[in-house]
Amino acid sequence: GQNIDQPTEMTATEGAIVQINCTYQTSGFNGLFWYQQHAGEAPTFLSYNVLDGLEEKGRFSSFLSRSKGYSYLLLKELQMKDSASYLCAGHHGSSNTGKLIFGQGTTLQVKP
Amino acid sequence: GAVVSQHPSWVICKSGTSVKIECRSLDFQATTMFWYRQFPKQSLMLMATSNEGSKATYEQGVEKDKFLINHASLTLSTLTVTSAHPEDSSFYICSASTTGGETQYFGPGTRLLVL
Repeated sequence: GQNIDQPTEMTATEGAIVQINCTYQTSGFNGLFWYQQHAGEAPTFLSYNVLDGLEEKGRFSSFLSRSKGYSYLLLKELQMKDSASYLCAGHHGSSNTGKLIFGQGTTLQVKP
Repeated sequence: GAVVSQHPSWVICKSGTSVKIECRSLDFQATTMFWYRQFPKQSLMLMATSNEGSKATYEQGVEKDKFLINHASLTLSTLTVTSAHPEDSSFYICSASTTGGETQYFGPGTRLLVL
C-alpha cells in the first residue's frame, strides 16, 4: 500500500531553521518530491530527490534515505513569506507518466 | 518554461449542471496530464491520469462517467464534471510533465462551487 506521513502543523520564528519530516511506506517508489503551496494557490515545485543524500538549493534543502523511507525539507533563514503548506509526494511509475502520491501536507506558520 | 494554465479559475454553477475545466501546457507538449482534487485543509488527491489519444486512467473510487476527461491534443486536457452536486465543490488542479521528466508542474487551479 501507499502511505505517506508528515506532521500536520509546525510553527517557527522568523530567521530560524525548521525541518519538516516525511516518512513513507510505498511500493514502486522512484523518488520523492517537495512542493510548497500557499493558501488558495496551486503547488509550486521545490525539490525532487531520487538518490540518498542531501540536496541544497538556496535556503531550502531536501534529504532522502530510501532504506529508511524517510525524507525531510530544511528551511533556513525563515521569512514570513515561507508561511505555507509543504507537501511531500512519492513518485511512482515511469518518468513523465508516473503519478504522485501526496502526504497530508504540513502547514508552517512563521512568526515574527 | 513549463507553464500550465487552467480555465476558468473559478466557477459557480447550479446543482445538476455540467462544468468543463480546461488545462493547457503553454510552452511544452504533455502526453500525460494529471487531475487532482483538493478539499479545504486537505492534501491533493489524484483523480485520474489523462493520456493524449487514449482513455484516461481513473483512481479507485473516482467515477469515470461523472468526471469525463478528454485529452484532445498534446497541450490540452479537459475535465467535465457532469451533473454537479454540492459535494463536488472543491479545488480542481491539473498538472503536466515534460517529456521524459518526472517533475509535475501545476496549473493555478479551478475553484468550483455548486449551489
